[in-house]
Parts: sequence; structure tokens; C-alpha cells
Amino acid sequence: EIVMTQSPATLSVSPGERATLSCRASQSVSSNLAWYQQKPGQAPRLLIYGASTRATGIPARFSGSGSGTEFTLTISSLQSEDFAVYYCQQYNNWPKTFGQGTKVEIK
Amino acid sequence: EVQLVESGGGLVKPGGSLRLSCAASGFTFSSYSMNWVRQAPGKGLEWVSSISSSSSYIYYADSVKGRFTISRDNAKNSLYLQMNSLRAEDTAVYYCARAQYYYGSGKEAETDYWGQGTLVTVSS
Repeated sequence: EIVMTQSPATLSVSPGERATLSCRASQSVSSNLAWYQQKPGQAPRLLIYGASTRATGIPARFSGSGSGTEFTLTISSLQSEDFAVYYCQQYNNWPKTFGQGTKVEIK
Repeated sequence: EVQLVESGGGLVKPGGSLRLSCAASGFTFSSYSMNWVRQAPGKGLEWVSSISSSSSYIYYADSVKGRFTISRDNAKNSLYLQMNSLRAEDTAVYYCARAQYYYGSGKEAETDYWGQGTLVTVSS
């Protein structure tokens, strides 16, 4: 099983600032990686797939990069609605595994 | 508009059974792979199971293999999860989710739409 490790566990950021979230895979997943956003009491929402392609309707301030084992989700200028938990997921191998999440909170 | 609506959750005793359903609408259900993903209270996401559009492949997480069975009825636009021998650690919100499939690479990919989830509580 591929283990996905996200860092940091919690990121404190002021509105308008840049947020950088990391996700590391225990072995190469090529570009078969997605990022999801989850707000309290809501279902997850797909943000990025293929490591760097924004899903439909996702604002341009969200960007993904990386391949192999190292991935990054960048939120260029945090808006109030972006404070949430973010998960990465690999789908290169079964089982499809998630990272443990990074909580982005207001500083 | 894509809609996924789960039902069937509730309180069940350890060792008991429960069947979850997911009603899909707003897309051609028979063309998509489907997943179940769960989230224990206050915890992260855990992929549970996947089934291809024609049920030609089915995969399970090790934590549920042999106890849970995923199935679908394309004529009814419905996805199911039969859960047997339930344990306390199966307590979670269970999400139904649509998955993309890349025919070029033969690989199931990201889950692009999710239902709101149904809560399963396993407790005596």
C-alpha cells in the first residue's frame, strides 16, 4: 500500500497570504494524484487532478504541482472560504490512499 | 446537475449488518465507476471500495475485505454497499462518489462528485 504523508498537519495563514501544502508518496505515483477540499459538515470537493489540472469551477488561485513522490498544492491568496481541510489522494495503485489531511486555519 | 444521495445508515450492534444505497442522477450512471469512501468521526478520509461501470472490476480496502460487498444496478441508477460483521471501527460517515476512468491508461482516477454521506454507528 502506498502511504501518503501530508505536511504540515495545520497551517496558520492570514487572509490574502499564500499557502503551500505538501504531500509525499511512499513510492512513485507518477502524476496520478488529486487534491480535495473539505469544510466542516460537508462532503469533500475535488480541486485538482492529474497533479496539476484544476477541476471544473475551481478558481485559478488554486494550483497543483509535482510528480513522482513529491506534490504541492498552492493557494496564491487565501480567501475566507478557503479555510478548510485539504487531502491528497493517489490513484496510481490499489488501494487508492489518502493523506491524513492539512488543516488551513486563520492566523 | 450531478446528484448522489446516500441512504441506509443508522445504529447497528457489533456483528450486525447494514445495506447502504446511493441514488444517482444527472449523469449517465452506467458509464462511470463508483466508489465508497468513509470518514470516522473527527478523522480523515478512507477509500473503502470501487466498482467499474459494468462491474467488471471490484476492489476493497483490506480493512473491509471479506465483510463488505459493493454492487450496482445500472437500470436503477443505484450503488450499494452491503456491510456484514460490523465492528466499532466501522463507525463513520459513508460517502458515495463518482470516479473518472482513463481508458488510455486503464486506470480508475479521481472522484469528481460526492454525495453528502450517511452516518453508520456501530455500538452496543
